[in-house]
Amino acid sequence: DVKVTQSSRYLVKRTGEKVFLECVQDMDHENMFWYRQDPGLGLRLIYFSYDVKMKEKGDIPEGYSVSREKKERFSLILESASTNQTSMYLCASSPPAGLDRWRDIQYFGAGTRLSVL
Amino acid sequence: AQTVTQSQPEMSVQEAETVTLSCTYDTSESDYYLFWYKQPPSRQMILVIRQEAYKQQNATENRFSVNFQKAAKSFSLKISDSQLGDAAMYFCAYRRQGAQKLVFGQGTRLTINP
Repeated sequence: DVKVTQSSRYLVKRTGEKVFLECVQDMDHENMFWYRQDPGLGLRLIYFSYDVKMKEKGDIPEGYSVSREKKERFSLILESASTNQTSMYLCASSPPAGLDRWRDIQYFGAGTRLSVL
Repeated sequence: AQTVTQSQPEMSVQEAETVTLSCTYDTSESDYYLFWYKQPPSRQMILVIRQEAYKQQNATENRFSVNFQKAAKSFSLKISDSQLGDAAMYFCAYRRQGAQKLVFGQGTRLTINP
């Protein structure tokens, strides 16, 4: 089974703190994604990475950065946390789209619920 | 830009009955994929069913089936014989052929009444 592991289920941080959310996958997937989930808005893509050290902005990258130094690990960084970044954060991984249509889906972690006070 | 709309924020159904969740999408592409994902309370999101746009036949996975209407850009999910374990948030998602990213709808929270 594909496993996508997010390091924390719950985090509470203070405004202005630097926050790291970690995600690890064990399926050697090239693609990794960070989403933000808010009620009524669904999942919105923050960043995704299609290879080590490669990244692409999603729909809402402002206030976030990412790091992918190893294939299995993708980190989301909040340089200076703000209260409007209180949310559920989901990590996902997938093989490259189009390579194998039967494996061609995204696998999700359990999520990190972040509260910024 | 592609958009996905789920117009039902919440739905409820009696156990053992059938429920249909709605999804519409907007795209100018002809080749794409559509997905339904399920997010149970406090658990990981998992794929329920997928549909390739070039296929006319509606996808089916056990009690889950879709009604794919390409011209109407509609992709509804039917759950037959609802079970308590079906209670979850359901997200409809779209991916253009060749793209890596998914576009998600707002989600529908499904409650199963015993």
